[in-house]
Amino acid sequence: DVKVTQSSRYLVKRTGEKVFLECVQDMDHENMFWYRQDPGLGLRLIYFSYDVKMKEKGDIPEGYSVSREKKERFSLILESASTNQTSMYLCASSRRAVDQPQHFGDGTRLSIL
Amino acid sequence: EDQVTQSPEALRLQEGESSSLNCSYTVSGLRGLFWYRQDPGKGPEFLFTLYSAGEEKEKERLKATLTKKESFLHITAPKPEDSATYLCAVQATGRGSNYQLIWGAGTKLIIKP
Repeated sequence: DVKVTQSSRYLVKRTGEKVFLECVQDMDHENMFWYRQDPGLGLRLIYFSYDVKMKEKGDIPEGYSVSREKKERFSLILESASTNQTSMYLCASSRRAVDQPQHFGDGTRLSIL
Repeated sequence: EDQVTQSPEALRLQEGESSSLNCSYTVSGLRGLFWYRQDPGKGPEFLFTLYSAGEEKEKERLKATLTKKESFLHITAPKPEDSATYLCAVQATGRGSNYQLIWGAGTKLIIKP
């Protein structure tokens, strides 16, 4: 089974802090994704990566950056956290082929105070 | 514009009462349609991929079908443990990125004992 592990289930930070969310997958998947999920807005893609050191913007990249130094690890960075970034953050991975399903971690519930 | 719509938003059933969830889509071309199950506080769990009209997939009490305009997730004799939010996502051709999915808002299914 695919295992996608997110470093924290719950996280509380203050406005203006730099926040790091970490994700690791153990299935040697080429693609990795970061989403946020908010009530009434569904899943929205922030960034994804199709290879080490490669990244592409999703639908809502503003205020975020990402890092992928190793194939199994994909980090999401909130450069200066704001209250409107309070959300559930989900990491996913998939095989390289475009029609392969994405497999998700259990999410990080992030609160910015 | 590419779009995925799920209905109903919520569905309450008695244990054993079979029903169907709908996912209708409007895309230029379909690469694949994915069904996921999401429990509260968890990430989406992959269920099925459907690639072409007429295709069907089954898993326990769930059966997914696909036409050129919509997909159905049929639930036969559901049990309380089938209670969850069911998400549908579509991967379309001709989009800016091959890996981005178009997500529906989900159907919240509640099975009463």
